[in-house]
Amino acid sequence: NAGVTQTPKFQVLKTGQSMTLQCAQDMNHNSMYWYRQDPGMGLRLIYYSASEGTTDKGEVPNGYNVSRLNKREFSLRLESAAPSQTSVYFCASGPYEQYFGPGTRLTVT
Amino acid sequence: GENVEQHPSTLSVQEGDSAVIKCTYSDSASNYFPWYKQELGKRPQLIIDIRSNVGEKKDQRIAVTLNKTAKHFSLHITETQPEDSAVYFCAASRSNDYKLSFGAGTTVTVRA
Repeated sequence: NAGVTQTPKFQVLKTGQSMTLQCAQDMNHNSMYWYRQDPGMGLRLIYYSASEGTTDKGEVPNGYNVSRLNKREFSLRLESAAPSQTSVYFCASGPYEQYFGPGTRLTVT
Repeated sequence: GENVEQHPSTLSVQEGDSAVIKCTYSDSASNYFPWYKQELGKRPQLIIDIRSNVGEKKDQRIAVTLNKTAKHFSLHITETQPEDSAVYFCAASRSNDYKLSFGAGTTVTVRA
C-alpha cells in the first residue's frame, strides 16, 4: 500500500517548456487534488477532481491543466512554463482526511 | 471563497512548555477543520481534525478547540518535545466540496 505517489521528485525546466506531473493513489479515494506550496503562503489549491471524470478549478488554476485519467491517477500539465511556476507541487487524495504525496520540486529558469 | 488566517507565523518554546496556534476563517458554512504538520523537506501530514458539531478534540499531547460563533479554532500542544519542531498548517473546508483552504503556516521551534 504505497498511498499517494508522485513523479518526478525534481525537475528543472526552461521558460516555455512543457511537462506533466504524475500522481497516483491506491486508497480508492474519489477525490484528488493538486496544490502548490510557496514560502510564506501555505498550500494553494490549483485544481481538484471530486470523482473520476470531473475536474474543477481551485484558487490558482492559471497556467495549468489537469486530467483525471481514471480513479487512481490525476495529472497536472504545464503547457508553457514560467518562472512564477517555480514551486513545490503536492498531489493529495481524500475526501475529508487528505493524504499527500511526497511532492515535486520544480524550478523554471 | 474561504479565507483562513493563522497566527503566529513563528513560535519558539522551551521544551516541556505548551504551544498554541490560532486560526480564523471567513466562511460560516465551513464545517471541517484539520491541522497538518510538515517537517523540513517532507509532505504535510494530518495530525488532528475537528468537525463543527464538536467543540474540542484531544489526542495525547495535542488538542484542537473550535468556536463556531467567533469563527476561530486553535491547536494546543502540551509538554513540547524537540520532535514537535515543524511547520503547522490549519485548514478549513465545507462538506459539499471538500476543498481545503490553508493558513500560511506556523514554524514551531522547540528549544532544548
